[in-house]
Amino acid sequence: SQQGEEDPQALSIQEGENATMNCSYKTSINNLQWYRQNSGRGLVHLILIRSNEREKHSGRLRVTLDTSKKSSSLLITASRAADTASYFCATDGSSASKIIFGSGTRLSIRP
Amino acid sequence: GAVVSQHPSRVICKSGTSVKIECRSLDFQATTMFWYRQFPKQSLMLMATSNEGSKATYEQGVEKDKFLINHASLTLSTLTVTSAHPEDSSFYICSARPNGAWTEAFFGQGTRLTVV
Repeated sequence: SQQGEEDPQALSIQEGENATMNCSYKTSINNLQWYRQNSGRGLVHLILIRSNEREKHSGRLRVTLDTSKKSSSLLITASRAADTASYFCATDGSSASKIIFGSGTRLSIRP
Repeated sequence: GAVVSQHPSRVICKSGTSVKIECRSLDFQATTMFWYRQFPKQSLMLMATSNEGSKATYEQGVEKDKFLINHASLTLSTLTVTSAHPEDSSFYICSARPNGAWTEAFFGQGTRLTVV
């Protein structure tokens, strides 16, 4: 089962530009996490934001969470070629400990 | 940070055979581990929740007799794909979260299964 949707499904931007990805989910959560996955590889954890937090920063990453709208966004500033990957949000429910992934955004950074 | 080791990273098997994938938490205990499957260019789909010392909980549509899960200790869960068919070819990933902590889950590096 999937918790929600991400948009856009695919995003292509110029190196140096900012990339914004959005995630919507369906049920109550304890926290929301963002992961990166390079093609055919495992997952890299980027950032975790708790349900009582609204914004969090980590280096070039900025995550927001709006629990009233059941949505989150991931902003990558000053993108680099190495940021080319798929990005997934994942929600951690309040009634179970399982983590459910969104549909993902494929990000391509053009040199 | 915490490490989850998944083995093997790649496996090719013949149709009709069974394949076992191991998932170990190397520096923490995990009562619960999770198994996901990912088809090309798609997201991770939760298959089942592995519970130490008890039966796994399978998501709707996942055949428990085909995907056998054993969680014999607090650091090891195994997924066995029985009587594999080409349509079982996929990327399988496990994850675990340290007991008692609402923290990030840690993921194994994944296993690419190809059934020929």
